[in-house]
Amino acid sequence: DGGITQSPKYLFRKEGQNVTLSCEQNLNHDAMYWYRQDPGQGLRLIYYSQIVNDFQKGDIAEGYSVSREKKESFPLTVTSAQKNPTAFYLCASSSTTADGETQYFGPGTRLLVL
Amino acid sequence: GQNIDQPTEMTATEGAIVQINCTYQTSGFNGLFWYQQHAGEAPTFLSYNVLDGLEEKGRFSSFLSRSKGYSYLLLKELQMKDSASYLCAAMDSNYQLIWGAGTKLIIKP
Repeated sequence: DGGITQSPKYLFRKEGQNVTLSCEQNLNHDAMYWYRQDPGQGLRLIYYSQIVNDFQKGDIAEGYSVSREKKESFPLTVTSAQKNPTAFYLCASSSTTADGETQYFGPGTRLLVL
Repeated sequence: GQNIDQPTEMTATEGAIVQINCTYQTSGFNGLFWYQQHAGEAPTFLSYNVLDGLEEKGRFSSFLSRSKGYSYLLLKELQMKDSASYLCAAMDSNYQLIWGAGTKLIIKP
């Protein structure tokens, strides 16, 4: 059963702590993305990767880091430099189909600061 | 700059029809996407338009006018489960999605 998984569903961060959000896909998609969603706002792109061992900053990359060592995995680290990390984090992957470069999303991780 | 506009909230009655509008301004254009997002969940893909005209998928249809920078999502025979936010997103020349803030659709019995 193909899909995108994210873990954990909820994550709590203490002040000064780095936390890592997991994203795995078995859809054989080349491109993967991380978005942040805040109430009343559109999705904002944090980082994206179009191929293994390569990634680019999105609109709000400050305070975040990523790696893409495997095609299936694109973990996101929220560092202590991100001063307002409370948000819903969404991972997506895409491939070119008859529906263009459609992005498909994982279930999301909700990050809360203690 | 790049921008997507859609209404913040709409209300409709069960069994009725509702049209959610979206206008966009992007640097280049590679298609217009609609997603549905239930509260607390991830967005799910509904439709993709890259050519002018209407695309129909069951109770949902999506329209695009490239010359006007305009799209709409039409939902027919509304059901209570259609209560959700509907996100409009346009793909720019770099194949990046520019997202609207979403339209919260409230369905009343």
